[in-house]
Amino acid sequence: GAGVSQSPSNKVTEKGKDVELRCDPISGHTALYWYRQSLGQGLEFLIYFQGNSAPDKSGLPSDRFSAERTGGSVSTLTIQRTQQEDSAVYLCASSLGQGLRGDYGYTFGSGTRLTVV
Amino acid sequence: KQEVTQIPAALSVPEGENLVLNCSFTDSAIYNLQWFRQDPGKGLTSLLLIQSSQREQTSGRLNASLDKSSGRSTLYIAASQPGDSATYLCAVVTDSWGKFQFGAGTQVVVTP
Repeated sequence: GAGVSQSPSNKVTEKGKDVELRCDPISGHTALYWYRQSLGQGLEFLIYFQGNSAPDKSGLPSDRFSAERTGGSVSTLTIQRTQQEDSAVYLCASSLGQGLRGDYGYTFGSGTRLTVV
Repeated sequence: KQEVTQIPAALSVPEGENLVLNCSFTDSAIYNLQWFRQDPGKGLTSLLLIQSSQREQTSGRLNASLDKSSGRSTLYIAASQPGDSATYLCAVVTDSWGKFQFGAGTQVVVTP
């Protein structure tokens, strides 16, 4: 596609429910990243996928968070048993990185605003 | 641990003035640095990417410099316009995975 697409754009969920956030990267981009931006905070790295390599999950805040990337394209970030502190904007980015440390730069999606009530 | 700091946190200027935004990082062993713009409720838009071997990049009214040895980058926006009002984020790549470490941003308001 022309850009990185994220869905839904907004999600309101009750505490304790599971949510799934979707990211469609730019076609041909092999690297895909998830970040989180909490109110008044900077962007926090969550997870990184590069081709068929094992993902870097070092930024996931707890085991309630998981992500997968199917066929090297679409990615889904799942948050189980949501808590109020999970409320944030979840941003996805893709890159032609090819392991070149993001030398081609990133393209970000518009994000999913998650509100846990 | 890499820390990225942006000063000032907020800036308000009248239209037509030049903008100077500063970014500093504690570990000079970076691969590249990127400046982004974020509009309220929106994602990030890439402005300029500077490779570690480069000293500056220019695009239109925007110019970004990089001094790795002193751990600094500066974004200059010439002849500011109200449409330049946004939050500007600086980010550095410091590992082979390519993940960014972001600064907290500078919120810019350009008044007509």
